[in-house]
Amino acid sequence: QKEVEQNSGPLSVPEGAIASLNCTYSDRGSQSFFWYRQYSGKSPELIMSIYSNGDKEDGRFTAQLNKASQYVSLLIRDSQPSDSATYLCAVKPGGTSYGKLTFGQGTILTVHP
Amino acid sequence: DTGVSQDPRHKITKRGQNVTFRCDPISEHNRLYWYRQTLGQGPEFLTYFQNEAQLEKSRLLSDRFSAERPKGSFSTLEIQRTEQGDSAMYLCASSLKATGTGFYEQYFGPGTRLTVT
Repeated sequence: QKEVEQNSGPLSVPEGAIASLNCTYSDRGSQSFFWYRQYSGKSPELIMSIYSNGDKEDGRFTAQLNKASQYVSLLIRDSQPSDSATYLCAVKPGGTSYGKLTFGQGTILTVHP
Repeated sequence: DTGVSQDPRHKITKRGQNVTFRCDPISEHNRLYWYRQTLGQGPEFLTYFQNEAQLEKSRLLSDRFSAERPKGSFSTLEIQRTEQGDSAMYLCASSLKATGTGFYEQYFGPGTRLTVT
């Protein structure tokens, strides 16, 4: 079992729709969770962080965390073509790991006009 | 407030050569990380510094790889005797404790794309 799993997609949604991206993780001791957006040929850009169960909203983005189910998701409302990118889920493992983030392989999102 | 910078942005080298990459973190960030990313995969952790101390290293970091962060400022990553399998994007990130949460958020530089021929 991979430590962080994402559906690689591609996920295709029409402009204006809600895009839903999912991620599961294996380490129950994980405490912090992040979503990064990565455009082709560019480096990852942090868009959301979440640390406690429930929802966290920032503009058109909502991150959802369910630690009991070891599940984190990202919702993008009113999707725009400029949201087309790879979305990476990252988890900071528990235990004595100081700084390492473990990433999923990413979900490719395409928003078509 | 400038972001994380990396140099060079692209490097083409022949197998067996040594290469060195530099990372300058965001100025107030005391934590610095190196990752490697290959096509279609998420970044893989290589190593982590807190100030000048290298506190964590991945098993991916073979003895051909070495990283330093003298004086706790910029960092260098050196790969000796490069192999074609070393071709990847090498990413540097630095982190800051988020106000209110106590958790660290990592911000990435633009990366150095290494091609070993």
